[in-house]
Amino acid sequence: DIVMTQTPLSLSVTPGQPASISCKSSQSLLHSDGKTYLYWSLQKPGQSPQLLIYEVSNRFSGVPDRFSGSGSGTDFTLKISRVETEDVGVYYCMQSIQLPYTFGQGTKLEIK
Amino acid sequence: QVTLKESGPALVKPTQTLTLTCTLSGFSLSTSGMRVNWIRQPPGKALEWLARIDWDDDKFYRTSLKTRLTISKDTSKNQVVLTMTNMDPVDTATYYCARTTCPTSCYTDYWGQGTLVTVSS
Repeated sequence: DIVMTQTPLSLSVTPGQPASISCKSSQSLLHSDGKTYLYWSLQKPGQSPQLLIYEVSNRFSGVPDRFSGSGSGTDFTLKISRVETEDVGVYYCMQSIQLPYTFGQGTKLEIK
Repeated sequence: QVTLKESGPALVKPTQTLTLTCTLSGFSLSTSGMRVNWIRQPPGKALEWLARIDWDDDKFYRTSLKTRLTISKDTSKNQVVLTMTNMDPVDTATYYCARTTCPTSCYTDYWGQGTLVTVSS
């Protein structure tokens, strides 16, 4: 199975400040079709996960542009340009290049 | 409006079989490219993918649980069913169904609210 490792595991950010989460995979997520199968989701308290970013850097419909994804191969980053209070929750990266799909341990974002 | 809703028992005894149903609304699993996954989350822990069924009835399972899992669909009822045999307390988790759609790219875009299953005697 592909292991997804997120850092940090927790983050405390002042509203309006930036935040960054790293995700590293144990194998390259670049497929022969040219796509990289790395996704970011946010699980708000008491809710199910919601998709933020697909294929490294594509924002899903309705996701604010303060969220951006970057990276390639095995190293990926989710950035929030200016954190808002509604961004609290646990952020997960996920790979779908190979079954079983696997998730990172999650990064808990709190507001200072 | 796309929704998924899980249903099933909240409590099962060790060694029993768990049957969960995911009722789909706003889309059809018979549509080309559509997939439904089952994913679980033990309390306070990370997400774990379990199984997937595709529009063409292809089925995929987590290798470590393959002997215990069965996924199926009833297109006429717009439902996906997951059964897990020989339940153990370590299987206590919130179980989610989630849709993967592949218009131009594939992504898992909608999740159900989840259903908490506790395994205890």
